[in-house]
Amino acid sequence: AQSVSQHNHHVILSEAASLELGCNYSYGGTVNLFWYVQYPGQHLQLLLKYFSGDPLVKGIKGFEAEFIKSKFSFNLRKPSVQWSDTAEYFCAVTLISGGYNKLIFGAGTRLAVHP
Amino acid sequence: EAQVTQNPRYLITVTGKKLTVTCSQNMNHEYMSWYRQDPGLGLRQIYYSMNVEVTDKGDVPEGYKVSRKEKRNFPLILESPSPNQTSLYFCASSFRGLADRNAYNEQFFGPGTRLTVL
Repeated sequence: AQSVSQHNHHVILSEAASLELGCNYSYGGTVNLFWYVQYPGQHLQLLLKYFSGDPLVKGIKGFEAEFIKSKFSFNLRKPSVQWSDTAEYFCAVTLISGGYNKLIFGAGTRLAVHP
Repeated sequence: EAQVTQNPRYLITVTGKKLTVTCSQNMNHEYMSWYRQDPGLGLRQIYYSMNVEVTDKGDVPEGYKVSRKEKRNFPLILESPSPNQTSLYFCASSFRGLADRNAYNEQFFGPGTRLTVL
């Protein structure tokens, strides 16, 4: 079965530290890739998405992600985190396969940024 | 304002008492979906709908029903709720189906409904 793995369940950083959250998926075909963020008590918001083209995708709030097809990975990065980045981050994948319309989420990574 | 709304936002009920969680979107989206979020499991899709009168099972459909009689509404029905359905539920919608790479198929999420079944 298709799955999405997020390597870290909890990450704790100090402000200004760099962030990289890992995401791998298990599907050999064509995919759309997403990162969503969920701030405490709020609903999911889209950070960035990859459909095709340049594998380095820039999103909102200074986040970026790189799609490496050979590694089935879509890691999220930010050079310098802020306290306001404290949230839970979800990687998600849509499989592009005739009529398949499911969005598969990873288990999430809780990020805590300390001042 | 373009949005997905859910009601109620919080609900405490007892085992076996039928309930409905409503979901409505004002963006004329074709695709709508329900997810449940549980700690350590992320979001799992319950049901989705490609358009009016077209629904299909997601990964965890047991114990749930849905209907899509109008484009804007996609209610989630729990005929006989059980404690293992205690969860945080999200409705989402997108312009087209998720497999459509030619459309801007970002999913927009509702605020969530926290359900507790005693």
